[in-house]
Amino acid sequence: GESVGLHLPTLSVQEGDNSIINCAYSNSASDYFIWYKQESGKGPQFIIDIRSNMDKRQGQRVTVLLNKTVKHLSLQIAATQPGDSAVYFCAENPPGTYKYIFGTGTRLKVLA
Amino acid sequence: DVKVTQSSRYLVKRTGEKVFLECVQDMDHENMFWYRQDPGLGLRLIYFSYDVKMKEKGDIPEGYSVSREKKERFSLILESASTNQTSMYLCASTTGSEKLFFGSGTQLSVL
Repeated sequence: GESVGLHLPTLSVQEGDNSIINCAYSNSASDYFIWYKQESGKGPQFIIDIRSNMDKRQGQRVTVLLNKTVKHLSLQIAATQPGDSAVYFCAENPPGTYKYIFGTGTRLKVLA
Repeated sequence: DVKVTQSSRYLVKRTGEKVFLECVQDMDHENMFWYRQDPGLGLRLIYFSYDVKMKEKGDIPEGYSVSREKKERFSLILESASTNQTSMYLCASTTGSEKLFFGSGTQLSVL
């Protein structure tokens, strides 16, 4: 059963449009950031990561932007498809620790 | 392909039972983690292990223990299950400060 996302903010986008999902991270010293996708009833899947010495990184149809000044991370998905419908959350890793800090997530709904 | 395998997708247990959740990874990762995931709270770290027989408490270790006798296996133990431990449990592994690889999760219901 679904235990994720009952109280999450939701972003609804039309199929084919671009999606932008935002994340405010908590620790200004964090130097590694990850975006995950989680479909209903499944574990989180890695999408893309970025280190703090970069401000942009591109993957296949996805781009991550990092703004360290305001501690903000965004995930852009180009030409959003129905299969992109899921919960997306960010993670940060402060230096010198094994711990990761996770955001609560955003639900992306793709409208046909 | 990278694989983190959790032994059960769904479990139903009774209050007071001892519960074992098993996780196996095939990537020779040093670091393994147990998280629980609850609506609106994100992932919270229960325990992690950075080497065989080594473990450290996470943010919410109360009511849980762990075992790592072999590098590839990390077990989470609920000594005496309670209803507030009903949750989705996620195992993850990584090497160094790199991306975490997650298992499919175990949805545990304690009645």
